[in-house]
Amino acid sequence: QQQVKQSPQSLIVQKGGIPIINCAYENTAFDYFPWYQQFPGKGPALLIAIRPDVSEKKEGRFTISFNKSAKQFSLHIMDSQPGDSATYFCAASLENAGNMLTFGGGTRLMVKP
Amino acid sequence: NAGVTQTPKFQVLKTGQSMTLQCAQDMNHNSMYWYRQDPGMGLRLIYYSASEGTTDKGEVPNGYNVSRLNKREFSLRLESAAPSQTSVYFCASSEQNTDTQYFGPGTRLTVL
Repeated sequence: QQQVKQSPQSLIVQKGGIPIINCAYENTAFDYFPWYQQFPGKGPALLIAIRPDVSEKKEGRFTISFNKSAKQFSLHIMDSQPGDSATYFCAASLENAGNMLTFGGGTRLMVKP
Repeated sequence: NAGVTQTPKFQVLKTGQSMTLQCAQDMNHNSMYWYRQDPGMGLRLIYYSASEGTTDKGEVPNGYNVSRLNKREFSLRLESAAPSQTSVYFCASSEQNTDTQYFGPGTRLTVL
């Protein structure tokens, strides 16, 4: 049973475009929603994260939008660059649950020059 | 400051063989984790250790054992490898009561 569902599985955009990756979760007790970025041959690295008390968080060109009632959150990459080509994972976790992350299936993003 | 290191980087086993994946962190983190990554399934938690001396099962613990050797090291053991355990294995660590996990570079394991 996948508690965090991520879409699309793959995405191709042109440089300067705005890719959007969506995630939906089932457990309403989740209270922390990070996005991880992974380059080929490397481990995932935290990109940006949000808690459910805010509807949007922005860090540089990366923005998380959060809809608590719909149990959905999404990652937007403004002015995307070829260097953003990577696999992106959304995740969710419960406070006081050992920081255990439940990951989505991942989205492979390619930004064409 | 190397962060999280994992050995080996690659390994090929035959069905039934055993092996131990090693993980070490130099960030003085209390919590450590083992995940496996399979195409289309993201990362799934195998075992975690909230602090030295404690370990708990994650989502997919069957076929694995772990040892928290000390605060720095957390190993994952496959006693009798099966083809279904072919995967990329990642170790991660985090400070206690914080959410950011730091991942190692991974071990690519193939079981024939």
